[in-house]
Amino acid sequence: DGGITQSPKYLFRKEGQNVTLSCEQNLNHDAMYWYRQDPGQGLRLIYYSQIVNDFQKGDIAEGYSVSREKKESFPLTVTSAQKNPTAFYLCASSDQRAWQFFGPGTRLTVL
Amino acid sequence: SQQGEEDPQALSIQEGENATMNCSYKTSINNLQWYRQNSGRGLVHLILIRSNEREKHSGRLRVTLDTSKKSSSLLITASRAADTASYFCATAYSGGGADGLTFGKGTHLIIQP
Repeated sequence: DGGITQSPKYLFRKEGQNVTLSCEQNLNHDAMYWYRQDPGQGLRLIYYSQIVNDFQKGDIAEGYSVSREKKESFPLTVTSAQKNPTAFYLCASSDQRAWQFFGPGTRLTVL
Repeated sequence: SQQGEEDPQALSIQEGENATMNCSYKTSINNLQWYRQNSGRGLVHLILIRSNEREKHSGRLRVTLDTSKKSSSLLITASRAADTASYFCATAYSGGGADGLTFGKGTHLIIQP
């Protein structure tokens, strides 16, 4: 099956710890994205990558980091510098048709 | 700030009725997209309308775009209980969305059986 997978589904972190969220796609899409969603809110763009080995900051990149070493993978690290990391994180990819395909999300809770 | 703003924030209707949601945005766009999200899940793309289009249909969905008013509407006809979800509009700038989408806060739609 083609699609986007995110792991883990739920993640708990202690304050001061870095955590990495996984995002993998087998759709052969060049572009990949990370969004954050808070309760009752829309999605806000954290980082995006249009091609391997290149990525750009989105609207709320502070406290996050990414890498794009492979076309299929776009992991997001939530660092201890992110002051309010508890949120629902969504990864997406897109092709030339411009619409985005989303993964199932990872719910991060800081204890 | 978020580009799109959906209206209403919440909508509850009876099964079989039509549901209309509106979206307003602030700056010029390349295209506008509508997505659906079931509780706690990822988003699913519904329909994309380009800035030079005025109306598009997909099954029970009808989307309109008025660039002069910077607004769009999503109509779901003959609603079903399974349509219960949150619906988001998202706008893409000159890059067509390659540099990410800007989402509104969404309309939470409840279909009463």
